[in-house]
Amino acid sequence: DTAVSQTPKYLVTQMGNDKSIKCEQNLGHDTMYWYKQDSKKFLKIMFSYNNKELIINETVPNRFSPKSPDKAHLNLHINSLELGDSAVYFCASSQERQASFYEQYFGPGTRLTVT
Amino acid sequence: GEDVEQSLFLSVREGDSSVINCTYTDSSSTYLYWYKQEPGAGLQLLTYIFSNMDMKQDQRLTVLLNKKDKHLSLRIADTQTGDSAIYFCAEQGTYKYIFGTGTRLKVLA
Repeated sequence: DTAVSQTPKYLVTQMGNDKSIKCEQNLGHDTMYWYKQDSKKFLKIMFSYNNKELIINETVPNRFSPKSPDKAHLNLHINSLELGDSAVYFCASSQERQASFYEQYFGPGTRLTVT
Repeated sequence: GEDVEQSLFLSVREGDSSVINCTYTDSSSTYLYWYKQEPGAGLQLLTYIFSNMDMKQDQRLTVLLNKKDKHLSLRIADTQTGDSAIYFCAEQGTYKYIFGTGTRLKVLA
């Protein structure tokens, strides 16, 4: 069974369009994340949600709007796509198992290409 | 700042040991992690170390932590071609990880 799944796996779209990426986890975790990995493989946190509440927004442009309808889902909507948004977007989830330790489980990634 | 630095590339011969280094910034990180990313896939946790430990061994993996210098290393013994991947160290923040720049390990047969 897939623990963290993302759809779509690939997304090719034109500048100016609006698109969404969906993420679902079946691990019962209470925290979910979005990361962006650029062409040099640098991986940066974008958002984290705990129990459907936004905890972290790492100076991401307003064009990016995450939505968590329930604890198992964290979707990412992007308005007015720009060339610089081309990257691989990873969803992840975690559950704090003991004080301060938590393992993050990553989805397979969504490769977004903006032309 | 929050930059976690790693050397970008490492090439070793099959059967040799690989050592991947990481310099982190937040001395208050309770745990430090090593993740592996295979081509076209997400990241998977390899191992981790609690900040009050100097060393942790897990089969072919040895993690060394020098807290004074904020230096973390991952040694892979008897490196195999299946170990070819990108390796990320990560320090733990509040509700986030801060990942290193990643080291691309290439294992030559």
